[in-house]
Amino acid sequence: EAQVTQNPRYLITVTGKKLTVTCSQNMNHEYMSWYRQDPGLGLRQIYYSMNVEVTDKGDVPEGYKVSRKEKRNFPLILESPSPNQTSLYFCASSSRRGEPQHFGDGTRLSIL
Amino acid sequence: DAKTTQPTSMDCAEGRAANLPCNHSTISGNEYVYWYRQIHSQGPQYIIHGLKNNETNEMASLIITEDRKSSTLILPHATLRDTAVYYCIASRDNQGGKLIFGQGTELSVKP
Repeated sequence: EAQVTQNPRYLITVTGKKLTVTCSQNMNHEYMSWYRQDPGLGLRQIYYSMNVEVTDKGDVPEGYKVSRKEKRNFPLILESPSPNQTSLYFCASSSRRGEPQHFGDGTRLSIL
Repeated sequence: DAKTTQPTSMDCAEGRAANLPCNHSTISGNEYVYWYRQIHSQGPQYIIHGLKNNETNEMASLIITEDRKSSTLILPHATLRDTAVYYCIASRDNQGGKLIFGQGTELSVKP
């Protein structure tokens, strides 16, 4: 089954403790993105990747890092999480520019 | 990417067609119209997209006006499971696949 898998689904942690949210897709897609969703602000893109070793900033990249060492994986790294990064995060992938994006089920992060 | 405008909320009776409008009056010639929906806090789900012509798939139909300034998503026989927030997005998608989600239309399908 074609899918985008995020882990963990839920995480409560404390300020400053590094964390990584993993994202994996099994569709051999080139494009992958991370979004965050906050009430009243909709979904906003954090980072995207157009292929292995090719990443770029989205609209709200501050406080986040990503890497794309393999085509299927696109982890989101919070080196020093802060409470304003408490949010619902989605990973998405698509086969190429213009094609529909497939979203994961989301990761709800709470930073205390 | 062009800005889109949608009604904040709509109701529809179960079994009836749900017609969700979207205005994108500043859309450019190479921008597609995409529709996604989000049920509760699940990941957005792709529904349909189009450029100029009307499109139909197993989920819905997309009607785009000739001047491309507006479109309508049609769910032919709405069910309770179609209750969701529906997003209309106009995008060239030439910047790493970024989709700009607005506030969407909250569709409530009622028995």
